Amino acid sequence: EAGVAQSPRYKIIEKRQSVAFWCNPISGHATLYWYQQILGQGPKLLIQFQNNGVVDDSQLPKDRFSAERLKGVDSTLKIQPAKLEDSAVYLCASSLDSPYLRAGKEHYEQYFGPGTRLTVT
Amino acid sequence: AQSVTQLGSHVSVSEGALVLLRCNYSSSVPPYLFWYVQYPNQGLQLLLKYTSAATLVKGINGFEAEFKKSETSFHLTKPSAHMSDAAEYFCAVRAGGGADGLTFGKGTHLIIQP
Repeated sequence: EAGVAQSPRYKIIEKRQSVAFWCNPISGHATLYWYQQILGQGPKLLIQFQNNGVVDDSQLPKDRFSAERLKGVDSTLKIQPAKLEDSAVYLCASSLDSPYLRAGKEHYEQYFGPGTRLTVT
Repeated sequence: AQSVTQLGSHVSVSEGALVLLRCNYSSSVPPYLFWYVQYPNQGLQLLLKYTSAATLVKGINGFEAEFKKSETSFHLTKPSAHMSDAAEYFCAVRAGGGADGLTFGKGTHLIIQP
Protein backbone atom coordinates (compact mmCIF):
# COMPACT_ATOMS: atom_id res chain seq x y z
CA GLU A 1 0.00 0.00 0.00
CA ALA A 2 1.41 3.38 -0.99
CA GLY A 3 1.88 5.85 1.83
CA VAL A 4 1.04 9.54 2.07
CA ALA A 5 2.81 11.44 -0.69
CA GLN A 6 4.01 15.02 -0.37
CA SER A 7 5.78 17.37 -2.72
CA PRO A 8 8.08 19.14 -2.92
CA ARG A 9 10.33 17.71 -0.23
CA TYR A 10 12.29 20.93 0.12
CA LYS A 11 11.54 24.55 -0.74
CA ILE A 12 13.48 27.75 -0.21
CA ILE A 13 11.78 31.10 -0.79
CA GLU A 14 12.25 34.71 0.18
CA LYS A 15 9.92 36.43 2.61
CA ARG A 16 6.79 37.90 1.07
CA GLN A 17 6.81 35.28 -1.69
CA SER A 18 4.08 32.67 -1.99
CA VAL A 19 4.45 28.89 -1.84
CA ALA A 20 2.23 25.85 -2.21
CA PHE A 21 2.55 22.31 -0.91
CA TRP A 22 0.77 19.26 -2.23
CA CYS A 23 -0.41 16.14 -0.44
CA ASN A 24 -1.93 12.91 -1.74
CA PRO A 25 -3.35 10.75 1.07
CA ILE A 26 -3.53 6.99 1.24
CA SER A 27 -6.21 5.68 -1.10
CA GLY A 28 -9.58 5.45 0.65
CA HIS A 29 -8.67 7.74 3.53
CA ALA A 30 -11.40 10.32 3.93
CA THR A 31 -9.68 12.40 6.61
CA LEU A 32 -6.68 14.59 5.83
CA TYR A 33 -4.62 16.76 8.19
CA TRP A 34 -1.94 19.41 7.74
CA TYR A 35 0.53 19.97 10.58
CA GLN A 36 3.30 22.55 10.97
CA GLN A 37 6.46 21.40 12.77
CA ILE A 38 8.86 24.19 13.71
CA LEU A 39 12.41 23.11 14.52
CA GLY A 40 12.65 21.85 18.09
CA GLN A 41 8.90 21.59 18.58
CA GLY A 42 6.19 19.02 18.11
CA PRO A 43 3.82 19.20 15.15
CA LYS A 44 0.91 21.64 15.44
CA LEU A 45 -2.38 20.93 13.69
CA LEU A 46 -3.25 23.56 11.09
CA ILE A 47 -6.34 22.10 9.47
CA GLN A 48 -8.39 18.89 9.30
CA PHE A 49 -10.53 17.89 6.32
CA GLN A 50 -13.29 15.29 6.21
CA ASN A 51 -13.64 14.50 2.49
CA ASN A 52 -13.76 18.02 1.00
CA GLY A 53 -15.14 19.73 4.11
CA VAL A 54 -13.21 21.47 6.88
CA VAL A 55 -13.60 19.93 10.35
CA ASP A 56 -11.13 22.09 12.26
CA ASP A 57 -9.10 25.10 11.11
CA SER A 58 -8.94 26.92 14.43
CA GLN A 59 -5.12 27.10 14.39
CA LEU A 60 -4.71 28.06 10.74
CA PRO A 61 -3.42 31.66 10.32
CA LYS A 62 -6.08 32.56 7.83
CA ASP A 63 -4.60 35.93 6.92
CA ARG A 64 -1.80 34.18 5.05
CA PHE A 65 -2.49 30.43 5.01
CA SER A 66 -5.13 28.67 2.93
CA ALA A 67 -5.86 25.04 2.18
CA GLU A 68 -8.22 23.20 -0.08
CA ARG A 69 -9.28 19.67 -0.88
CA LEU A 70 -11.67 20.27 -3.72
CA LYS A 71 -12.37 16.71 -4.83
CA GLY A 72 -11.95 15.12 -1.42
CA VAL A 73 -8.71 13.39 -2.38
CA ASP A 74 -5.49 15.37 -2.67
CA SER A 75 -4.94 18.68 -0.95
CA THR A 76 -2.94 21.88 -1.34
CA LEU A 77 -1.67 24.15 1.42
CA LYS A 78 -0.68 27.68 0.42
CA ILE A 79 1.18 30.47 2.20
CA GLN A 80 0.90 33.99 0.81
CA PRO A 81 2.89 36.03 1.69
CA ALA A 82 5.46 33.99 3.60
CA LYS A 83 7.17 35.25 6.73
CA LEU A 84 10.46 34.18 8.29
CA GLU A 85 8.59 32.44 11.11
CA ASP A 86 6.87 30.14 8.59
CA SER A 87 10.13 28.22 8.20
CA ALA A 88 9.15 24.71 9.28
CA VAL A 89 8.37 21.22 8.10
CA TYR A 90 4.81 20.86 6.84
CA LEU A 91 3.44 17.40 7.47
CA CYS A 92 0.40 15.87 5.86
CA ALA A 93 -1.41 12.93 7.43
CA SER A 94 -4.46 10.86 6.55
CA SER A 95 -6.75 8.39 8.28
CA LEU A 96 -9.86 6.32 7.71
CA ASP A 97 -13.27 7.67 8.61
CA SER A 98 -16.43 6.30 10.14
CA PRO A 99 -19.54 7.63 11.86
CA TYR A 100 -18.08 6.32 15.12
CA LEU A 101 -15.04 8.48 14.58
CA ARG A 102 -17.12 11.59 14.18
CA ALA A 103 -19.00 10.69 17.36
CA GLY A 104 -15.69 10.54 19.20
CA LYS A 105 -16.07 6.83 19.84
CA GLU A 106 -13.23 5.55 17.75
CA HIS A 107 -9.85 6.61 16.58
CA TYR A 108 -8.07 5.49 13.49
CA GLU A 109 -4.33 5.81 13.11
CA GLN A 110 -3.03 8.88 11.34
CA TYR A 111 -0.44 8.02 8.71
CA PHE A 112 2.12 10.76 8.11
CA GLY A 113 3.91 11.72 4.94
CA PRO A 114 7.62 12.61 4.87
CA GLY A 115 6.91 16.33 5.01
CA THR A 116 7.98 19.42 3.08
CA ARG A 117 10.80 21.42 4.62
CA LEU A 118 10.25 25.14 3.99
CA THR A 119 13.00 27.70 4.50
CA VAL A 120 12.03 31.36 4.29
CA THR A 121 14.98 33.75 3.90
CA ALA B 1 -8.28 22.18 25.89
CA GLN B 2 -5.83 19.32 25.75
CA SER B 3 -2.08 19.65 26.29
CA VAL B 4 0.95 17.45 26.69
CA THR B 5 4.20 18.02 28.57
CA GLN B 6 7.28 15.96 27.88
CA LEU B 7 9.92 16.14 30.58
CA GLY B 8 13.44 16.28 29.21
CA SER B 9 14.22 17.48 25.71
CA HIS B 10 17.15 15.04 25.56
CA VAL B 11 17.56 11.65 27.21
CA SER B 12 20.75 9.62 26.96
CA VAL B 13 20.98 5.93 27.88
CA SER B 14 23.50 3.19 27.30
CA GLU B 15 22.77 0.39 24.86
CA GLY B 16 20.98 -2.37 26.77
CA ALA B 17 19.75 -0.05 29.52
CA LEU B 18 16.16 0.84 30.38
CA VAL B 19 14.55 3.60 28.35
CA LEU B 20 12.08 5.88 30.16
CA LEU B 21 10.52 8.87 28.38
CA ARG B 22 8.10 10.93 30.43
CA CYS B 23 4.79 12.40 29.33
CA ASN B 24 2.11 14.17 31.34
CA TYR B 25 -1.17 15.27 29.85
CA SER B 26 -4.01 17.63 30.54
CA SER B 27 -7.43 16.88 29.14
CA SER B 28 -10.97 17.97 29.92
CA VAL B 29 -12.33 14.68 28.58
CA PRO B 30 -11.13 11.08 28.88
CA PRO B 31 -8.04 11.18 26.73
CA TYR B 32 -6.79 9.22 23.78
CA LEU B 33 -2.98 9.22 24.10
CA PHE B 34 -0.25 8.34 21.63
CA TRP B 35 3.48 7.96 21.27
CA TYR B 36 5.07 8.63 17.90
CA VAL B 37 8.67 8.21 16.75
CA GLN B 38 10.38 10.35 14.14
CA TYR B 39 13.63 9.40 12.45
CA PRO B 40 15.70 12.10 10.70
CA ASN B 41 14.07 13.44 7.55
CA GLN B 42 11.11 11.10 7.91
CA GLY B 43 7.49 11.44 8.90
CA LEU B 44 6.00 10.30 12.18
CA GLN B 45 5.36 6.66 12.92
CA LEU B 46 2.90 5.48 15.55
CA LEU B 47 4.51 3.46 18.35
CA LEU B 48 1.42 2.82 20.45
CA LYS B 49 -1.88 4.30 21.55
CA TYR B 50 -4.16 4.32 24.59
CA THR B 51 -7.89 4.44 23.86
CA SER B 52 -9.47 3.64 27.25
CA ALA B 53 -9.02 -0.12 27.09
CA ALA B 54 -6.07 -1.71 28.93
CA THR B 55 -3.96 0.78 30.89
CA LEU B 56 -0.72 -0.99 29.91
CA VAL B 57 -0.27 -0.63 26.19
CA LYS B 58 2.26 -2.55 24.14
CA GLY B 59 3.58 -1.13 20.92
CA ILE B 60 6.06 -1.86 18.20
CA ASN B 61 9.80 -2.36 18.61
CA GLY B 62 9.44 -3.53 22.23
CA PHE B 63 8.04 -0.26 23.58
CA GLU B 64 5.18 -0.03 26.05
CA ALA B 65 3.42 2.70 28.00
CA GLU B 66 1.23 2.78 31.08
CA PHE B 67 -1.74 5.13 31.46
CA LYS B 68 -2.02 6.42 35.04
CA LYS B 69 -5.06 8.61 35.49
CA SER B 70 -4.20 9.60 39.07
CA GLU B 71 -0.84 10.94 37.89
CA THR B 72 -2.10 12.17 34.47
CA SER B 73 0.88 10.38 32.97
CA PHE B 74 1.62 8.16 29.99
CA HIS B 75 5.33 7.35 30.22
CA LEU B 76 7.04 5.31 27.50
CA THR B 77 9.44 2.52 28.42
CA LYS B 78 11.59 -0.13 26.82
CA PRO B 79 13.52 -2.66 28.92
CA SER B 80 16.66 -2.73 26.79
CA ALA B 81 17.75 0.09 24.47
CA HIS B 82 19.09 -0.63 21.02
CA MET B 83 21.17 1.67 18.85
CA SER B 84 18.34 1.78 16.32
CA ASP B 85 16.07 3.39 18.94
CA ALA B 86 17.92 6.70 18.59
CA ALA B 87 15.28 9.13 17.33
CA GLU B 88 12.85 11.87 18.36
CA TYR B 89 9.83 10.74 20.36
CA PHE B 90 6.58 12.64 20.65
CA CYS B 91 3.71 12.17 23.04
CA ALA B 92 0.31 13.35 21.78
CA VAL B 93 -3.29 13.67 22.92
CA ARG B 94 -6.35 13.73 20.71
CA ALA B 95 -8.71 16.66 20.55
CA GLY B 96 -12.21 16.03 21.80
CA GLY B 97 -15.48 16.09 19.93
CA GLY B 98 -15.73 15.45 16.25
CA ALA B 99 -12.25 16.76 15.50
CA ASP B 100 -9.47 14.29 16.13
CA GLY B 101 -6.38 16.24 15.25
CA LEU B 102 -3.51 15.61 17.64
CA THR B 103 -1.86 17.95 20.13
CA PHE B 104 1.82 17.04 20.43
CA GLY B 105 4.42 17.61 23.10
CA LYS B 106 7.73 19.25 22.22
CA GLY B 107 9.47 15.93 21.82
CA THR B 108 12.32 14.06 23.50
CA HIS B 109 15.49 13.27 21.62
CA LEU B 110 16.69 9.81 22.64
CA ILE B 111 20.43 9.24 22.44
CA ILE B 112 21.85 5.74 22.72
CA GLN B 113 25.43 5.46 23.98
CA PRO B 114 27.41 2.41 22.78
